[in-house]
Amino acid sequence: GAGVSQSPRYKVAKRGQDVALRCDPISGHVSLFWYQQALGQGPEFLTYFQNEAQLDKSGLPSDRFFAERPEGSVSTLKIQRTQQEDSAVYLCASSFDRVTEAFFGQGTRLTVV
Amino acid sequence: SQQGEEDPQALSIQEGENATMNCSYKTSINNLQWYRQNSGRGLVHLILIRSNEREKHSGRLRVTLDTSKKSSSLLITASRAADTASYFCATVPSGAGSYQLTFGKGTKLSVIP
Repeated sequence: GAGVSQSPRYKVAKRGQDVALRCDPISGHVSLFWYQQALGQGPEFLTYFQNEAQLDKSGLPSDRFFAERPEGSVSTLKIQRTQQEDSAVYLCASSFDRVTEAFFGQGTRLTVV
Repeated sequence: SQQGEEDPQALSIQEGENATMNCSYKTSINNLQWYRQNSGRGLVHLILIRSNEREKHSGRLRVTLDTSKKSSSLLITASRAADTASYFCATVPSGAGSYQLTFGKGTKLSVIP
């Protein structure tokens, strides 16, 4: 596709519900990143994939957060037993290699009620 | 944690004026990037400057980098109402972990027509 695509754009989840957020990166991009952005803040790093390998998950807030990229393309960020503090915009980005410019999707705004 | 700190946090100018935003960071970097984010949207890459570069231009944008002071500035000349957005600097560290973009909190720019 022309850019990074994320779905859904908006998600309202009841506390305790599991959610899955999808990211379609730009074709051919090796690197894929997930970021979490709270209101009025800059994005915070969650995790990094190089192809299908998850090389860094140090930013995941808890073991309720899980990300995968099984075939080195589409990625899914899963949050189990959602809590109110998980409410944020989740941004996915891809890049051709690890140090070049990153292309961001529009994000998924998650609201936990 | 957020490495970059943008200054000012908010800036309001008249259309046609120049806007200058500053960014300070803490660790050695491979490169520094500036991004723009319109309200409710994803981030758009503006410009990348490598650690061995001191100045870079792209259209109405001019970025400087001073690695001795660990600081960068973004100048937008002849601003337009469409430049209204939040601007973030992001650093890619040198060495291990040289992939993780670390963002500041951003500068919110308002350009008044």
